[in-house]
Amino acid sequence: GAVVSQHPSWVICKSGTSVKIECRSLDFQATTMFWYRQFPKQSLMLMATSNEGSKATYEQGVEKDKFLINHASLTLSTLTVTSAHPEDSSFYICSAVPGGYRETQYFGPGTRLLVL
Amino acid sequence: GESVGLHLPTLSVQEGDNSIINCAYSNSASDYFIWYKQESGKGPQFIIDIRSNMDKRQGQRVTVLLNKTVKHLSLQIAATQPGDSAVYFCAENKGAQKLVFGQGTRLTINP
Repeated sequence: GAVVSQHPSWVICKSGTSVKIECRSLDFQATTMFWYRQFPKQSLMLMATSNEGSKATYEQGVEKDKFLINHASLTLSTLTVTSAHPEDSSFYICSAVPGGYRETQYFGPGTRLLVL
Repeated sequence: GESVGLHLPTLSVQEGDNSIINCAYSNSASDYFIWYKQESGKGPQFIIDIRSNMDKRQGQRVTVLLNKTVKHLSLQIAATQPGDSAVYFCAENKGAQKLVFGQGTRLTINP
């Protein structure tokens, strides 16, 4: 149980284009999902908290207009990297928390983004 | 400017031996801690968790120890196997279900 998927698993795009990454909880409903980014040989850095039916909460230093988050259902959150640039190249990972007061986050397999 | 990546602490262990991975956390008010395993190119995988009202918790081949006095967390892996090779992260609950991740330790199991 507690399986989270991400799509796509990797993407290469040209600078200036937008990229959408999907995060799905497959066997549970998630009122809260989180988006992280991870640079090589570094730890995970929280970007934003995605709440179903409400606006995402962004961490300090993360541009909300650049990283658009939509959590339209209890099983799907999307992250759109708008006008991507090479410095946005990274490993993007989502996590989901099962409904109710639970704390354990279950992570997706990650999406590797390369912006040329 | 040039960006410099962090150098992950590393630990090498002979297959079959026990390993201990350590982690220091920052917030004395944190009440929930998790260990994750991350293999190359994959997302973190939940291993074991512990609440602050406990000092020790055991799972299958893994044990987590919590020392609140010195804000220290450790993960013990018994009888290590090649599949245990990965980066291990500790994480503390920051509140509002947010997690703060440690820098990670790369564990290598030597045959």
